[in-house]
Amino acid sequence: DQQVKQNSPSLSVQEGRISILNCDYTNSMFDYFLWYKKYPAEGPTFLISISSIKDKNEDGRFTVFLNKSAKHLSLHIVPSQPGDSAVYFCAASDKGGSEKLVFGKGTKLTVNP
Amino acid sequence: DADVTQTPRNRITKTGKRIMLECSQTKGHDRMYWYRQDPGLGLRLIYYSFDVKDINKGEISDGYSVSRQAQAKFSLSLESAIPNQTALYFCATSDLGGLGGYTFGSGTRLTVV
Repeated sequence: DQQVKQNSPSLSVQEGRISILNCDYTNSMFDYFLWYKKYPAEGPTFLISISSIKDKNEDGRFTVFLNKSAKHLSLHIVPSQPGDSAVYFCAASDKGGSEKLVFGKGTKLTVNP
Repeated sequence: DADVTQTPRNRITKTGKRIMLECSQTKGHDRMYWYRQDPGLGLRLIYYSFDVKDINKGEISDGYSVSRQAQAKFSLSLESAIPNQTALYFCATSDLGGLGGYTFGSGTRLTVV
């Protein structure tokens, strides 16, 4: 059973607009959440994370929101740039972020100039 | 040099052949992981190791074995490759207590014909 779900396989937005990528999880023991970005022919790279004691974490153009009651998190990218076009993976852990990560299937973001 | 190096980058092998994928890291991390990525399925954990003497199965370990030769080296073997093991394989490392999640290698694209 999938514990981390990214229900949108793809998302297309215009340059300069907001990109919102969504992620749902089922395991209430998850206490640490991360977003990874992956370009073709490269490994995933860490983007931003959030602990379950917070509901928002911001890093430049990237903000992650966590709604624990809904078991939902989202990644906002503002403003979106063509270089943001990549596959974004949501991941979750139940041991503070250094134990096994469970990944979603990914969402392919395309930012059009 | 990359922090996490995977060799080979690409490999085509025949059904029934034994193949080894290698991973080495310069991060000094104790924890290493092997994931595979399939289209539409995201990243799934094959094996992980928290130190040289600790090897654990992940969610899809059947058909695979691993060896942790040193803190810096973690290899994945397919004893008798089959076509449904065609995938992109990633090695990753993490730091005990780290909040940045994993550092991934660039991946090995394996095709079993």
